[in-house]
Amino acid sequence: DIQMTQSPSTLSASVGDRVTITCRASQRISSWLAWHQQKPGKAPKLLIHKASSLKSGVPSRFSGSGSGTEFTLTISSLQPDDFATYYCQQYDTYPWTFGQGTKVEIK
Amino acid sequence: QVQMVQSGTEVKEPGASVKVSCKASGYIFTGYYMHWVRQAPGQGLEWMGWVNPNSGDTNYAQKFQGRVTLTRDTSISTAYMELSRLRSDDSAFYYCARDRITYTSSTFDYWGQGTLVTVSS
Repeated sequence: DIQMTQSPSTLSASVGDRVTITCRASQRISSWLAWHQQKPGKAPKLLIHKASSLKSGVPSRFSGSGSGTEFTLTISSLQPDDFATYYCQQYDTYPWTFGQGTKVEIK
Repeated sequence: QVQMVQSGTEVKEPGASVKVSCKASGYIFTGYYMHWVRQAPGQGLEWMGWVNPNSGDTNYAQKFQGRVTLTRDTSISTAYMELSRLRSDDSAFYYCARDRITYTSSTFDYWGQGTLVTVSS
């Protein structure tokens, strides 16, 4: 199975900060990577697919980049609604696998 | 609007089976694969497999092969996940999640609200 490793596991930041989360795949996955956001007690929501394509309706402060094995999710200016856990997910090779998650906390 | 509504909380004894339903609305049910993902409380996400509602074809993660069965009833736009021989470490939230693209498998763009399954004697 392809291992997805996110860093950091926890991130403390303030409203207005620029935030970057990294996701590394254990083998090349081209651009078949998605980012999902999950808030406590809620189902995840898709933010980005194919590494850098923003889902319709997702704020433009979210962006994704990378290909191959290294990917990043960037929030350009953190908003109160963005405090959540973020998961990367590869869909290049079965079984689809997720990173362990990055929790973005209020500083 | 696209929506998936799942069945309610289940409590099962070890060794039993559970069947969770996922009723879809707001789109053509047979046009999009339905995935199932689980999450143990406080833990990460784990993909279990998908069902093609159009054909009934399935693809399961090897970890769950032989224990999970994904089915669908197109007449009521509902997908089902049945997990057998339950163990305590199967206690988790189980989510259905619609594929983003028609007639193929990719990532998921809409998720159900989740169903808590607790396995306890």
